[in-house]
Amino acid sequence: QKEVEQNSGPLSVPEGAIASLNCTYSDRGSQSFFWYRQYSGKSPELIMFIYSNGDKEDGRFTAQLNKASQYVSLLIRDSQPSDSATYLCAVNDQYSGGGADGLTFGKGTHLIIQP
Amino acid sequence: EPEVTQTPSHQVTQMGQEVILRCVPISNHLYFYWYRQILGQKVEFLVSFYNNEISEKSEIFDDQFSVERPDGSNFTLKIRSTKLEDSAMYFCASSQRVTSYEQYFGPGTRLTVT
Repeated sequence: QKEVEQNSGPLSVPEGAIASLNCTYSDRGSQSFFWYRQYSGKSPELIMFIYSNGDKEDGRFTAQLNKASQYVSLLIRDSQPSDSATYLCAVNDQYSGGGADGLTFGKGTHLIIQP
Repeated sequence: EPEVTQTPSHQVTQMGQEVILRCVPISNHLYFYWYRQILGQKVEFLVSFYNNEISEKSEIFDDQFSVERPDGSNFTLKIRSTKLEDSAMYFCASSQRVTSYEQYFGPGTRLTVT
């Protein structure tokens, strides 16, 4: 049974600070890692994906992957009130040439950016 | 920017009735998915679909569920005999999966079974 674990929060961060969100996964075969943002009553919105160990930066977002520790994180720099949402970590074991695997999601971390 | 669309946005049905949820995936995407999210719980994978057949399904996707691509654009999820516990948000997603594995979600259909 694949498991993805996240601290449910709420995680409260002052505006302008760095928000750090963490995720661990149980399946060592996991190959692809995704962060989705979900506002209340809305659908998951893809904000970052990472497939290789190390850091990946996109604007204010940085995803970090450590496959040896089975750990994924998301950093949000210069946090804004509009970043307040639930952040979902998702993984699958999809690799090039494989089948169409579904994502395994964590329960999400509720992030609150305080103005 | 291309988006996944879903209809209806909200469906209310009585227990035991059949419902069909509809999705239009992003046009150049090849892989399609259904997920559900019961209120307050995590997003759960139901089924993936590629080349007009099911590629993978979860334990949740039992005989009461079926999927179909009836034409070149629509992708449907049918629930044959709804139960109270089927009440949830149902999300359709699609992925290109030739050069990228990212899955993009539609806005969802809220299914309420009474």
